[in-house]
Order: sequence, then C-alpha cells, then structure tokens
Amino acid sequence: DQQVKQNSPSLSVQEGRISILNCDYTNSMFDYFLWYKKYPAEGPTFLISISSIKDKNEDGRFTVFLNKSAKHLSLHIVPSQPGDSAVYFCAALLNDYKLSFGAGTTVTVRA
Amino acid sequence: NAGVTQTPKFQVLKTGQSMTLQCAQDMNHNSMYWYRQDPGMGLRLIYYSASEGTTDKGEVPNGYNVSRLNKREFSLRLESAAPSQTSVYFCASSDGLEQFFGPGTRLTVL
Repeated sequence: DQQVKQNSPSLSVQEGRISILNCDYTNSMFDYFLWYKKYPAEGPTFLISISSIKDKNEDGRFTVFLNKSAKHLSLHIVPSQPGDSAVYFCAALLNDYKLSFGAGTTVTVRA
Repeated sequence: NAGVTQTPKFQVLKTGQSMTLQCAQDMNHNSMYWYRQDPGMGLRLIYYSASEGTTDKGEVPNGYNVSRLNKREFSLRLESAAPSQTSVYFCASSDGLEQFFGPGTRLTVL
C-alpha cells in the first residue's frame, strides 16, 4: 500500500512560468518530507526538504508547502527553466531514516 | 570524491542465474540502502544497513540478499533471478536526512 502518492504523472509548463507539483500521504507519523529530482540515466538528487512541524520551506526558486491537516504537500518552481525538465519524486521519512517514495511526476519545460 | 558508485551499469541475465550488484561510497556514511525503481512505482526499498554489521529488510526484500562488507561497501545479491526482478537498482548512502544516490544498474532478466 503506497503511503506517498503523486497523482499527476506528468506536467508541461512554459519557460518562466510556475511549476506546481503535488503530493499526498497517508501516514501522519512522517517526520520529514523531501523532494528529489532525477535526470535520465542518473540517480535521484536531493532538492529540498521540509520538517513536519513547518508549513513552508524556501530555497531559491524552489518552495515546498506542507498542509498537515490535508496530508498534502506541494513543490513550487518559480520561474521554471529548461534545466528543470526531469522527474520529481516526493518522499517521506520516518524516524528510522527509511524513505517512502511517490511514483514521480515528469516535468517538461517548454521554451 | 566519487560519491556513490555502482557496478555494473547494465546487466542481462537468464532466469535462474545469479549475480551480485556492487555499491561503494566514499563519504564515510553510516547508512546504506538498496532500492529498485519500476515504471509507475517510484523507488521501493529492498534492504538497508543502518551501520556496519547490520542489515534490515525493506519493503520488497523477497528474492534478494545483502552484505555490508565494510563501512564503504554494500552489495545486493540475486541468487536465482526471475523476470519480475527486471528493474533499475539504485544504491544510496546517508548520515542524516539527505540520501545520496548512485547512478543505477539497469538489470534485465530474460
């Protein structure tokens, strides 16, 4: 049973506009939520995280929002750039450092 | 620093054959992990090792064994490969929140 769900398999956005990626989870015991970015033929790389006690974390063009009551988080990328075209995975962490991943959202940034 | 390295990059096996996937990290991390990635499924944890000398099952351990050879190396063994084990395998290491991933091994079992 998947505890982390990304219901949008793909997203297409114009360069310079905002990309919004969504993620839902079922386990209220998760301590942290992370976003990973993956290019083809490479391993995932860490992008940004948020603690379960926060509702927002920002790092440059990337902002993650957490709504605990809705068990929902989102990643905003502003402005979107061609190099942002990749697969984005939402992941959630329990206190024993095991990650549960969503299925991923493929982002395509159009010029 | 090379980070996390995995060998081989690609492998084709016949059903019933065995093989070992190798993983090494040079970041002095205590924890190491093996994941598999399948289309539409994200990454699923196979086994992990919280520290040298310890290993634990993850979400999908059946058909696999692991060895934490030392602090640097964590290998994944398929004793009798099955077509259902066709996947991309990622090794990762961490010493905290962020996990660092290797480039992956693409395995096909015919």
